[in-house]
Amino acid sequence: SAVISQKPSRDICQRGTSLTIQCQVDSQVTMMFWYRQQPGQSLTLIATANQGSEATYESGFVIDKFPISRPNLTFSTLTVSNMSPEDSSIYLCSVRAGGTGTGDYGYTFGSGTRLTVV
Amino acid sequence: AQSVAQPEDQVNVAEGNPLTVKCTYSVSGNPYLFWYVQYPNRGLQFLLKYITGDNLVKGSYGFEAEFNKSQTSFHLKKPSALVSDSALYFCAVTSGGYNKLIFGAGTRLAVHP
Repeated sequence: SAVISQKPSRDICQRGTSLTIQCQVDSQVTMMFWYRQQPGQSLTLIATANQGSEATYESGFVIDKFPISRPNLTFSTLTVSNMSPEDSSIYLCSVRAGGTGTGDYGYTFGSGTRLTVV
Repeated sequence: AQSVAQPEDQVNVAEGNPLTVKCTYSVSGNPYLFWYVQYPNRGLQFLLKYITGDNLVKGSYGFEAEFNKSQTSFHLKKPSALVSDSALYFCAVTSGGYNKLIFGAGTRLAVHP
């Protein structure tokens, strides 16, 4: 299955600033997914990122707050913009384990970015 | 719309006893179902999945799950719990293809010595 390198692993940021999170995959994948896990909560899907097109955002998430780039089939970034303490969460990227083929329908997750906004 | 329900916030089990963590789902189309485990300060680890075929799926660390289409359930089970199984467990569903994976609220499993 695919291996994801996600960074930074954690950061403490000042309110009003922005943080960009990177995910690098060791194989080409069609779709990448970005999730948020607020403290003590489940994973909530932020958006789905396809290479060469704009990301598709879930209800409650907007591009101005969470811009996403997907320049190629192995890399994506998520930016958390104009941060407030409510953005303190773990952010995770995910890919379909099968890559661009039919695969085995599993999903692989990055190790996560623990963000604290002060 | 896809949804997953994990009705129990926490499950408490004595070590050596069988455990069950419940999950029900709602999707249009055929469901693809997953269980993940999250240990404190660690990433999400894949346990098992149901895509098609046998309703009983065996996964990592001795866990298994049974797909029940009529009850739209996918409960996670283990015959004999270990203290080291204590963690947060998530059920997730997608309806096939390259669709997004939707997670349940999670169930915290506590296995007592």
